[in-house]
Amino acid sequence: SSELTQDPAVSVALGQTVRITCQGDSLRSYYASWYQQKPGQAPVLVIYGKNNRPSGIPDRFSGSSSGNTASLTITGAQAEDEADYYCNSRDSSGNLHVVFGGGTKLTVL
Amino acid sequence: EVQLVESGGGLVQPGGSLRLSCAASGFTFSSYWMSWVRQAPGKGLEWVANIKQDGSEKYYVDSVKGRFTISRDNAKNSLYLQMNSLRAEDTAVYYCARDRVPAAIPSSWFDPWGQGTLVTVSS
Repeated sequence: SSELTQDPAVSVALGQTVRITCQGDSLRSYYASWYQQKPGQAPVLVIYGKNNRPSGIPDRFSGSSSGNTASLTITGAQAEDEADYYCNSRDSSGNLHVVFGGGTKLTVL
Repeated sequence: EVQLVESGGGLVQPGGSLRLSCAASGFTFSSYWMSWVRQAPGKGLEWVANIKQDGSEKYYVDSVKGRFTISRDNAKNSLYLQMNSLRAEDTAVYYCARDRVPAAIPSSWFDPWGQGTLVTVSS
């Protein structure tokens, strides 16, 4: 099965821009989706498809992809963006499975 | 309001069984692929299983294949996960999640998620 790799931790100064990356072979075939999870809460979808935001997600969140790497960019990070972020995608093995990255802990300084 | 509410978690001994339920409301349940995703304490998310709209296709992560069974009852707007031969490593919060869009093929776009139910496997 496929694997998705994320940096365990990233930090950003308040108001600055941060990019969180996700690498894996499945991303050559499928777009990643991104989830935000705050302590004690369920994950929330923030980016899906090429670069789509569900309603209610601020436009400072954006997504992009190149080759085997997907990125979530937060432009002008806010204190409330401090959370764990997970990417996922369809498994490229053709078995209709789903794979998640290990998650990135974002700290807003 | 679109909502998913899990129930059925609890403490179970190794080798035991548990059945989780997920009650859906606010949308046409029978139109969507549904999934279970779990999160061990302090760990990341792990997809467990998914099921097609009519229940005719089901897929599982290798670590639960043969032990867990996903099912649904569209008349009751409910999703289930029957967990047998439970192991300590199955200890996790279990979330049910809906595919964001109704489609013939499952996506990895999960929206919304339930609040989760905790399963603890311990003697």
